[in-house]
Amino acid sequence: GQNIDQPTEMTATEGAIVQINCTYQTSGFNGLFWYQQHAGEAPTFLSYNVLDGLEEKGRFSSFLSRSKGYSYLLLKELQMKDSASYLCAVRKATDSWGKLQFGAGTQVVVTP
Amino acid sequence: GAVVSQHPSRVICKSGTSVKIECRSLDFQATTMFWYRQFPKKSLMLMATSNEGSKATYEQGVEKDKFLINHASLTLSTLTVTSAHPEDSSFYICSASPFRQGNSPLHFGNGTRLTVT
Repeated sequence: GQNIDQPTEMTATEGAIVQINCTYQTSGFNGLFWYQQHAGEAPTFLSYNVLDGLEEKGRFSSFLSRSKGYSYLLLKELQMKDSASYLCAVRKATDSWGKLQFGAGTQVVVTP
Repeated sequence: GAVVSQHPSRVICKSGTSVKIECRSLDFQATTMFWYRQFPKKSLMLMATSNEGSKATYEQGVEKDKFLINHASLTLSTLTVTSAHPEDSSFYICSASPFRQGNSPLHFGNGTRLTVT
């Protein structure tokens, strides 16, 4: 099995930067996804990492270190609408392509 | 982009009754769809993989006779919670992808909030 750990909650001010860390332990890593989920809504895809390094997409960036079992999602220039839960999800090489193991999510609260 | 629609968004039922949840891929065909369940402040857990034209594959610990899955067409999968009990109250979300590749993200429906009284 695997453990996926991420902080429960983070609070930041509008315009600031927040970094959400995710650590995982898995046998046979095959990719890591970040999703954003507003309360009562479906998760929406943010980023995908399978190789070490940083992937940048506008205000959001995601980093992966496979040797450390570590990823982070960086949110820059925070906006009020960024208040949501951010889910880290890992795919195992031995699992079907659609099976993801999710962390419990990090609730980000953006304050004025 | 890929859109997945789920219906109903919210349902309340009495203990012992059955509830059917529909999941549709609106702009692509999906031979495979996935059903997840999410309890409050907990992670999404995969319940089963729905396969068009064949039996669903259930994850360990998920009762196949209780959670009936039918994938009769390339755009529709249904999950029926049979003889529902209060402990089945949860947020059920389906997902699919137009591509079966490692870097293809899953696209999720808006979920169904099931409350069993």
